[in-house]
Amino acid sequence: DAGVIQSPRHEVTEMGQEVTLRCKPISGHDYLFWYRQTMMRGLELLIYFNNNVPIDDSGMPEDRFSAKMPNASFSTLKIQPSEPRDSAVYFCASTLSRGSGNTIYFGEGSWLTVV
Amino acid sequence: SQKIEQNSEALNIQEGKTATLTCNYTNYSPAYLQWYRQDPGRGPVFLLLIRENEKEKRKERLKVTFDTTLKQSLFHITASQPADSATYLCALDGTNAGKSTFGDGTTLTVKP
Repeated sequence: DAGVIQSPRHEVTEMGQEVTLRCKPISGHDYLFWYRQTMMRGLELLIYFNNNVPIDDSGMPEDRFSAKMPNASFSTLKIQPSEPRDSAVYFCASTLSRGSGNTIYFGEGSWLTVV
Repeated sequence: SQKIEQNSEALNIQEGKTATLTCNYTNYSPAYLQWYRQDPGRGPVFLLLIRENEKEKRKERLKVTFDTTLKQSLFHITASQPADSATYLCALDGTNAGKSTFGDGTTLTVKP
C-alpha cells in the first residue's frame, strides 16, 4: 500500500491567499484525521471524519479553516484567507475502525509557510 | 482540563544504554495509550499500543508500561543505537473517543 498521500509537500504563499491541502487516505480506512504541528503547540487534531462524515471539528482554529471529504479516497483542508500564524506542518492520517486501539497512519505532511 | 506531559524536551544518552521516556497525564481515563516515533521532516510512525488492562508490552528492544493508578506510561529502548535518535510521542485515547490526544514529544539523541 502506498500509505497516506498528501499534497503539496511544501507550499509558500502570501498572506491573504487561499491554500488547499489534499489527502488520499489508505484504501479501506474509515477514519480520516487532519492534524497541525508547530513547535509551540505540538500536534493538534483539527478535525476528523468517519465514513466521509465530519465527526468533530472542535479543533479547527477559526472560520478561515474548512475541511471536506467528498468520497472515501479524498479529503481537502482549505485555509482562506491564509495568515502567517497558519504556518505549520499539516498532517493527514487515517485508520480503520477507531475505538479499538487501531494504529493511526500519518502522511508525510504538507509544510505550509505563509509570508 | 486534560493534559499530557512528556519528560523533558530532550534526552541524551550513550549508545548501548537504556533510554527511558515518560508520559504523564491528568484528567483523563484512556482506554489505551500509543507510542509513535517521528523523524525530522516525516510524519509520526506507530510503534506500540498498550491497553488500560495491560501492565507491560514488549516489541524487540522496546518496552512500554502503563500504570493507570499513577497515570503514567514509561517507554524503554534497551541497547540504544544512534539510529534510535528521533522524537517520540505518546498518544492517549478514551473508549470510542474517536480521536487521539498527543503529547509534545521527547527528542532522544543517542551518541556513539
